[in-house]
Amino acid sequence: AQSVTQLDSHVSVSEGTPVLLRCNYSSSYSPSLFWYVQHPNKGLQLLLKYTSAATLVKGINGFEAEFKKSETSFHLTKPSAHMSDAAEYFCVVSVAGGYNKLIFGAGTRLAVHP
Amino acid sequence: GAGVSQTPSNKVTEKGKYVELRCDPISGHTALYWYRQSLGQGPEFLIYFQGTGAADDSGLPNDRFFAVRPEGSVSTLKIQRTERGDSAVYLCASSLSPVSNTEAFFGQGTRLTVV
Repeated sequence: AQSVTQLDSHVSVSEGTPVLLRCNYSSSYSPSLFWYVQHPNKGLQLLLKYTSAATLVKGINGFEAEFKKSETSFHLTKPSAHMSDAAEYFCVVSVAGGYNKLIFGAGTRLAVHP
Repeated sequence: GAGVSQTPSNKVTEKGKYVELRCDPISGHTALYWYRQSLGQGPEFLIYFQGTGAADDSGLPNDRFFAVRPEGSVSTLKIQRTERGDSAVYLCASSLSPVSNTEAFFGQGTRLTVV
């Protein structure tokens, strides 16, 4: 069965410093992996997705993630945090089997300080 | 066009009552999903529709929960004899295709509070 583990429930950074949100996955198959962001009182928004093409995936708002099969990781990074990046971030794996059933991690709350 | 629309945005109901939550997916999206997000947790899968039929309802917690999509567009999640533990944000998502790497677009959710 597929699953994801987000290693940090809260991450706090200063504006302008790098962001690292960690995610490990478990999958018997070659997984489809996603990062979603959830701002307060807004719907979930797709940041980026990995679908077995390039292992380094670039997303919106300057975020990127690297798929590392040997480490079963899909960490999300951004070189320089902005105040508007403060939100909840979810690492997600799509269940193998022909349709887009998503398994979410517990989430990482990112706080950005001036 | 518009994104996924969910109504109501907030619903407060008394324990034991019946509630209906509505989801209007993006036009043309054949796949529709319901998820439930409890406080401090990630969303959990409830049910998946392809067209009018429920292709996977394995996430529904018990038989008090039921969902329909009679014309392959709008979907309604129905909860009978609500319990305080049903309090959560109920999210609906739709995608153009059910293929596993297709982007799912989420609505803003319905926050259900059972008192």
